[in-house]
Amino acid sequence: DAGVIQSPRHEVTEMGQEVTLRCKPISGHNSLFWYRQTMMRGLELLIYFNNNVPIDDSGMPEDRFSAKMPNASFSTLKIQPSEPRDSAVYFCASSLVDGNTIYFGEGSWLTVV
Amino acid sequence: AQSVAQPEDQVNVAEGNPLTVKCTYSVSGNPYLFWYVQYPNRGLQFLLKYITGDNLVKGSYGFEAEFNKSQTSFHLKKPSALVSDSALYFCAVRSYSSASKIIFGSGTRLSIRP
Repeated sequence: DAGVIQSPRHEVTEMGQEVTLRCKPISGHNSLFWYRQTMMRGLELLIYFNNNVPIDDSGMPEDRFSAKMPNASFSTLKIQPSEPRDSAVYFCASSLVDGNTIYFGEGSWLTVV
Repeated sequence: AQSVAQPEDQVNVAEGNPLTVKCTYSVSGNPYLFWYVQYPNRGLQFLLKYITGDNLVKGSYGFEAEFNKSQTSFHLKKPSALVSDSALYFCAVRSYSSASKIIFGSGTRLSIRP
């Protein structure tokens, strides 16, 4: 079975450029989560969706970050403009809304120079 | 508000010895509790969970965890450590609310020496 699929796996971009990270959740899952992992801050929840609707975006660092989920099988996390401090691993995860276990993708490793 | 504390940044154990990775939590109402493991350059992998019932939960790779409601703890254990268990371990909590988010601890790096 396919797990959570993220792309790109690695991205190196210059400061000021737009970055778009993509996620395909596990089929049938209706909750989707975006996390950011850094050495300094650990694993932070940025935003999560239930049934394609954003429920809690309090973890989104600032207006440069935006996330969308246009349908049940696709979500994007966009950073515009990107800054070096955005360098991190961004994980997407999915679960059933009334389930409990969430499953992670392999992450998108972002470096902003 | 939900929170998870993993008081040890690193745990060092000799191969063959028992290991414990500590976790305490705070949540309104009854919790779902989880352990995940992360190997280098990989995503988090699910190890085990507590929902209800028996306080001792068994999971993947010989790991188990004990739920203690009075101490609000969910420590991860294994009777005999392997070098291959060396990784980063995360404890997580989710409340019974169906629309709630899952919160992770800061992680504990487990190092097993041969």
